[in-house]
Amino acid sequence: QVQLVESGGGVVQPGRSLRLSCAASGFTLSSYVMHWVRQAPGKGLEWVAVTSHDGSNKYYADSVKGRFTISRDNSKNTLYLQINSLRAEDTAVYYCARVSLPHYDYVWGSLDIDYWGQGTLVTVSS
Amino acid sequence: QSALTQPRSVSGSPGQSVTISCTGTSSDVGGYNYVSWYQQHPGKAPKVMIYDVNKRPSGVPDRFSGSKSGNTASLTISGLQAEDEADYYCCSYAGSYTFHWVFGGGTKLTVL
Repeated sequence: QVQLVESGGGVVQPGRSLRLSCAASGFTLSSYVMHWVRQAPGKGLEWVAVTSHDGSNKYYADSVKGRFTISRDNSKNTLYLQINSLRAEDTAVYYCARVSLPHYDYVWGSLDIDYWGQGTLVTVSS
Repeated sequence: QSALTQPRSVSGSPGQSVTISCTGTSSDVGGYNYVSWYQQHPGKAPKVMIYDVNKRPSGVPDRFSGSKSGNTASLTISGLQAEDEADYYCCSYAGSYTFHWVFGGGTKLTVL
C-alpha cells in the first residue's frame, strides 16, 4: 500500500538548517509530482513547494523562496526539503504529499492530493 | 500570495445542509478551475473532498459538492452527519508566471 513517511524534524535554533526526508513506498515515486505542505500549530495549511516527477521543475511559496529547496532521489524513493536560515515562523508540521495522477496524466494546476505523510514537526526556538 | 478568505466557523444540525465559501481574486479562484477542498480532523492529515472545483474523488460521499462563481468557490455538504465535523480548507492554483497554490484560512464545521 502507498505510504509516505516523513522524518528529520526536531527543535532547531533560529538561523540553523534542517533537512526533511519523505520516504515513499508502495508506488513508483518517479512517476509522481510531489508537494510539501506545512501547518503551524493551531493554524491552517500552507503550500510550501512542489517538484515535477523528475525533479527538473521546482516551485516555491514566496514565504520560503531562497531559503527552502525541494529535491528528490527517485532511485532511493525519497523526497527532501532542505530548510536554511530557519525562522520562528517556520515552526510547523511539514507534510509531504502525492498528487493522485502519474505525471503523464497530471495537469499542472490541479491539487488533487490522494496521499499525505503523517507529518514531521519542526520547532524553531532558541 | 495572500490566503483565500473563508468563514472561521459554520454549523448545522444533522441532516441539514451547510455551505462554506472561499473568496479569492481573479488571480487565483476566479482565474482557474483548480479549486480543491480538504477536510481535516484533529491530529490527522488532510483528505481531499473536492478537486478541480467540482470533481469528487472516488470514495467521497456525493453529499459533498463544489461550485464556483467569479472569485468565490463554495463547498456544500448536504445531509450533515456527525463525522463531517472537522476543519475544511479550500485551495486554489494561483500561478501565472510560476506555479504555486494558496490555501484558505480554514473553516471549523460544527455539527450541532
